[in-house]
Amino acid sequence: QVHLVQSGAEVKKPGASVKVSCKVSGYTLTELSMHWVRQAPGKGLEWMGTFDPEDGEAIYPQTFQGRVTLTEDTSTESAYMDLSSLRSEDTAVYYCATGVGDSFDFWGQGTLVTVSS
Amino acid sequence: SYVLTQPPSVSVAPGKTAKITCGGDNVGTKSVHWYQQRPGQAPILVIYYDSDRPSGIPERFSGSNSGNTATLTISRVEAGDEADYYCQVRDSSSDHRVFGGGTKLTVL
Repeated sequence: QVHLVQSGAEVKKPGASVKVSCKVSGYTLTELSMHWVRQAPGKGLEWMGTFDPEDGEAIYPQTFQGRVTLTEDTSTESAYMDLSSLRSEDTAVYYCATGVGDSFDFWGQGTLVTVSS
Repeated sequence: SYVLTQPPSVSVAPGKTAKITCGGDNVGTKSVHWYQQRPGQAPILVIYYDSDRPSGIPERFSGSNSGNTATLTISRVEAGDEADYYCQVRDSSSDHRVFGGGTKLTVL
């Protein structure tokens, strides 16, 4: 069983950056492909990208290219999502999620990021 | 990029059957996964690879996928099934993941 615990809520000003962490237990990070998904208030789920531990590369949808960076630290079994140039539309709950195959079997509890001046 | 289309809302009386659709171009050639999300909670997987149920998910939840439509079926609907439901696939051409827009299930 994989357990994902995310860092706490953040409040940021427009133009700033935010880094959200996701600590893994039950499996090692190198055995998992960690994904990030966000959900704006009252909106649906939006996939932000994934980090492939096999080649150390991340892939991102066009929507987030150039603004999001996914990294991992195997020494702390933690994955990170860094989003830059924040704007009000980035106010959302951010989730890390992973699974054995193509599905997201396990989710973190979510981290609320509020962007406000 | 690949697009999945869901109806915004579905309503059903308790004890009846709810069907939530997920449309996409030849979605029948892809594996579809379904998530339930209650207000204020993280999503949970209820169906994976079109029709498999994770342990702990009631048999009332089932899935199918053919042609251009995947369907989540909830039999003998209960009040506790009221939630948002999302379909999701992996776009093999890009390895990107795609979510449908979500369907709010209301139990009358």
